[in-house]
Amino acid sequence: AQSVTQLGSHVSVSEGALVLLRCNYSSSVPPYLFWYVQYPNQGLQLLLKYTSAATLVKGINGFEAEFKKSETSFHLTKPSAHMSDAAEYFCAVSVGSNYKLTFGKGTLLTVNP
Amino acid sequence: ETGVTQTPRHLVMGMTNKKSLKCEQHLGHNAMYWYKQSAKKPLELMFVYSLEERVENNSVPSRFSPECPNSSHLFLHLHTLQPEDSALYLCASSQEREGLDTQYFGPGTRLTVL
Repeated sequence: AQSVTQLGSHVSVSEGALVLLRCNYSSSVPPYLFWYVQYPNQGLQLLLKYTSAATLVKGINGFEAEFKKSETSFHLTKPSAHMSDAAEYFCAVSVGSNYKLTFGKGTLLTVNP
Repeated sequence: ETGVTQTPRHLVMGMTNKKSLKCEQHLGHNAMYWYKQSAKKPLELMFVYSLEERVENNSVPSRFSPECPNSSHLFLHLHTLQPEDSALYLCASSQEREGLDTQYFGPGTRLTVL
């Protein structure tokens, strides 16, 4: 069975600073990996996904994530935080079948002016 | 309307009420999902419908009853709920095919059970 661990339930950064949200996964077979973002009072929006092609995946809004098999990680980064990035971010893993998405508990990102 | 829509956006109900949540997808997808999002807990997959057939039911209590009349609509019928059922209920859809499909989410229904 697969699982996802998001380190840090709350991350706070200053506007313009680097954003790093951590995600580690557990899977016995090559996984598909996703990052979703949830703004207040909204559903989840796909930021990016890893599908076993390039290990560095670029997503929307300037975010990217790197798949590192040796570290079983899929951390999300953005070089310069913007106030509009404040939201909750979810890492998810799927193995074999798409509907078996397993989500992490989420990381709330706060951006300070 | 575009994407995945859900109605109502907010619902307050007593434990003896019967209500229904509605989800509609405008993406031409053939799979739909119900998730429960509670505070401090990961999203929980409740039900999956593929080609209007239920393919997944993750041990959800019978007070939650899904219905998928066609590939564009999904309902969640609620009766005799408990206060711990208060949560955000999210609907999602995807196009099932070989390989990876992305799930697209609606905005959710915020349910409060009194």
